Amino acid sequence: DGGITQSPKYLFRKEGQNVTLSCEQNLNHDAMYWYRQDPGQGLRLIYYSQIVNDFQKGDIAEGYSVSREKKESFPLTVTSAQKNPTAFYLCASRTGTGNHYEQYFGPGTRLTVT
Amino acid sequence: GNSVTQMEGPVTLSEEAFLTINCTYTATGYPSLFWYVQYPGEGLQLLLKATKADDKGSNKGFEATYRKETTSFHLEKGSVQVSDSAVYFCALGLSSGSARQLTFGSGTQLTVLP
Repeated sequence: DGGITQSPKYLFRKEGQNVTLSCEQNLNHDAMYWYRQDPGQGLRLIYYSQIVNDFQKGDIAEGYSVSREKKESFPLTVTSAQKNPTAFYLCASRTGTGNHYEQYFGPGTRLTVT
Repeated sequence: GNSVTQMEGPVTLSEEAFLTINCTYTATGYPSLFWYVQYPGEGLQLLLKATKADDKGSNKGFEATYRKETTSFHLEKGSVQVSDSAVYFCALGLSSGSARQLTFGSGTQLTVLP
């Protein structure tokens, strides 16, 4: 089955530690995205990548970093510089061109930092 | 800038009731409009979409019509079921700009009681 996998589903870290969230897709999509979701809020864009070895900051990139070494993979690192890292993180990929496109989402990783 | 405003929740309905969740948007250019659904602890699933004015998106009994004159994309369903209980997100995406990122509303929690 084609889709997006994120692992782990739940992640716990101590404050001051960096942590990397995995996102893998086998949909052959060029573009991938990372969003953050906080309770009662919509999704906010952290980073996106339209092609391998290229990525851009989204609206809330501070304290995060990404890499895109392979088309299938777009890992997100939450660094110790992120002031409020506890959140639900969603990875997505995009298909389509022009005005006809869709984003597909993974199941998410819930990160708790104490 | 671009923004999406959704009807605040939570919304609680009895099974077989009529559902409307309001969504209005502000955008430069001509966006595509989307409704996503999120079940507890999961990622987002695309429910329906519309790419131009007067288009109607529909899926699983849900419908939404792209109204350019009122900048709206209200979600409706004639008879809700308990299984429709979830959080619903309205989103817009622009094709000008290569990122094609989505801008989300804050989400509306729907609970359907038997």
